[in-house]
Amino acid sequence: GQSLEQPSEVTAVEGAIVQINCTYQTSGFYGLSWYQQHDGGAPTFLSYNALDGLEETGRFSSFLSRSDSYGYLLLQELQMKDSASYFCARGHQAGTALIFGKGTTLSVSS
Amino acid sequence: DTAVSQTPKYLVTQMGNDKSIKCEQNLGHDTMYWYKQDSKKFLKIMFSYNNKELIINETVPNRFSPKSPDKAHLNLHINSLELGDSAVYFCASSARAGRVLNEQYFGPGTRLTVT
Repeated sequence: GQSLEQPSEVTAVEGAIVQINCTYQTSGFYGLSWYQQHDGGAPTFLSYNALDGLEETGRFSSFLSRSDSYGYLLLQELQMKDSASYFCARGHQAGTALIFGKGTTLSVSS
Repeated sequence: DTAVSQTPKYLVTQMGNDKSIKCEQNLGHDTMYWYKQDSKKFLKIMFSYNNKELIINETVPNRFSPKSPDKAHLNLHINSLELGDSAVYFCASSARAGRVLNEQYFGPGTRLTVT
């Protein structure tokens, strides 16, 4: 299978650090992506890991461990505007689309 | 300057009707997609086109027919609409497969409500 699992909800306060985990089935795996979606908005690309290790983009970092079939998105110095849904995604077996996890709703409070 | 645009943004229609959603991208990408997002926010691939050629048809009912007149446009026509078709439909595009495939650009979405 090609499914991904991630927590449905995470809550945190402003200024905190939060980690959103994603586990996946290994069949035909080519890398892990992360997308952010605000309510009523479109998904927007955050990061992509093809190889093991950490990718950093400003306050956001993404990590992949292929041996553990696991990745995470790390959000630092949380701000209210980070309240959104976060999706991990992997390549479709046919190679030209994405399969998304069910999303994690992050709520940041003051 | 909008990268991926869709029209209409909202579509309210009755069961049994036929409707179309249009999508255009000005990013010069080769690959375009239609995704469906249900009320639980689950995003699922429906179709994938590369240079006007259908690559993926993810077990979508044949009431849904995508058409790509050129690589910048991918339209979605839906016949005999059903209540279960109510969802948000997103068009997206990316450069060729591989690493760049994972960086997809999504349109604003079309919220379809079937009554």
